Amino acid sequence: KQEVTQIPAALSVPEGENLVLNCSFTDSAIYNLQWFRQDPGKGLTSLLLIQSSQREQTSGRLNASLDKSSGRSTLYIAASQPGDSATYLCAVRPGYGGATNKLIFGTGTLLAVQP
Amino acid sequence: DAGVIQSPRHEVTEMGQEVTLRCKPISGHNSLFWYRQTMMRGLELLIYFNNNVPIDDSGMPEDRFSAKMPNASFSTLKIQPSEPRDSAVYFCASRLTGIGGYTFGSGTRLTVV
Repeated sequence: KQEVTQIPAALSVPEGENLVLNCSFTDSAIYNLQWFRQDPGKGLTSLLLIQSSQREQTSGRLNASLDKSSGRSTLYIAASQPGDSATYLCAVRPGYGGATNKLIFGTGTLLAVQP
Repeated sequence: DAGVIQSPRHEVTEMGQEVTLRCKPISGHNSLFWYRQTMMRGLELLIYFNNNVPIDDSGMPEDRFSAKMPNASFSTLKIQPSEPRDSAVYFCASRLTGIGGYTFGSGTRLTVV
């Protein structure tokens, strides 16, 4: 059974700092991995989607990497800003059987960027 | 594109009442998903449809929950009768079958008192 873990559960950094959020998954047979952002009381906003054949994806100050063999993904945020404060969720789409449409979510990392 | 549209945004109802949540997926997306989010359990998949057909409803907690997708642009999630433990945020998401990612709606916050 695929399990997704995110470390740390919470993170507080001063504005301007570069930071890394971690996501690990137990089964390397995945279709893709998606990073989301969730603001308090809001829905999920997709940040980056990495296919299983890719190593990384970049969007602005965000860079996500994927190491399928070790079951890890990282989300790198450069020059953090107070507006980056939110919960960050990674989600894995299993790559086999009947579960290929079931996104498996991690528990999230709550990020606070202090001005 | 307006994205995935859910209604209502908030719903407060009394225990025992019927609740209907609505979702309009992104035009052209042929897979639709209903998720529930709680503090205790995080995000859980309840049911998903492919080309309007329910494919997997193993996540639906009880017979009190039912979902329909009468056409490609509309889906409902119904709870009858509702109970306080159903209080959660319910998200709808859609995707184009293949390697594309998921797009989530803003959610419906349900409170059953």
